[in-house]
Amino acid sequence: KAGVTQTPRYLIKTRGQQVTLSCSPISGHRSVSWYQQTPGQGLQFLFEYFSETQRNKGNFPGRFSGRQFSNSRSEMNVSTLELGDSALYLCASRGAATYNEQFFGPGTRLTVL
Amino acid sequence: DAKTTQPNSMESNEEEPVHLPCNHSTISGTDYIHWYRQLPSQGPEYVIHGLTSNVNNRMASLAIAEDRKSSTLILHRATLRDAAVYYCILRDVGNQGGKLIFGQGTELSVKP
Repeated sequence: KAGVTQTPRYLIKTRGQQVTLSCSPISGHRSVSWYQQTPGQGLQFLFEYFSETQRNKGNFPGRFSGRQFSNSRSEMNVSTLELGDSALYLCASRGAATYNEQFFGPGTRLTVL
Repeated sequence: DAKTTQPNSMESNEEEPVHLPCNHSTISGTDYIHWYRQLPSQGPEYVIHGLTSNVNNRMASLAIAEDRKSSTLILHRATLRDAAVYYCILRDVGNQGGKLIFGQGTELSVKP
């Protein structure tokens, strides 16, 4: 069974631009969560989608948004990028059979110049 | 969400047991104790979870104190591959969502 995949793996943007990151969950998983990891703040929850609906949201500004498609693939978008948005963005998927276990992808490393 | 406290770092020798402690004095009766680890340059991976009783799986054992205010993740024979940051996380049993609140974790180094 293929794991969680994230594209692209690395991305360089400049301040003010916007970016879209993609996450494909494990086949059959309907829940996708997104996290931001920085050296200063550690791993922080961004939001979770389940069956195309946002179920939970972390404490991030509205510049961070996401969506989920009918095939459970998810995208997150960051508009008007700031230097502080440089981070590793991780997504995780979860299935009904593995309720207590989240499977993380390798992440997308975003650098904002 | 209740908070967990872990040592910032620990060292171990290869092939020796490792005991990673976690304090969670404000744990509620409905909080599960989860452990994840993050190997270098990878996303976190699930290790184990428990509620009240000690738990074993192929990766590790979880020992939970009787009052549930602390727990210990036990790696029975550390290998170089076990060098990672280990996170102890509390998650309410009623939490249907996927939100995990990560602390700073314990960075485990393993010496050959």
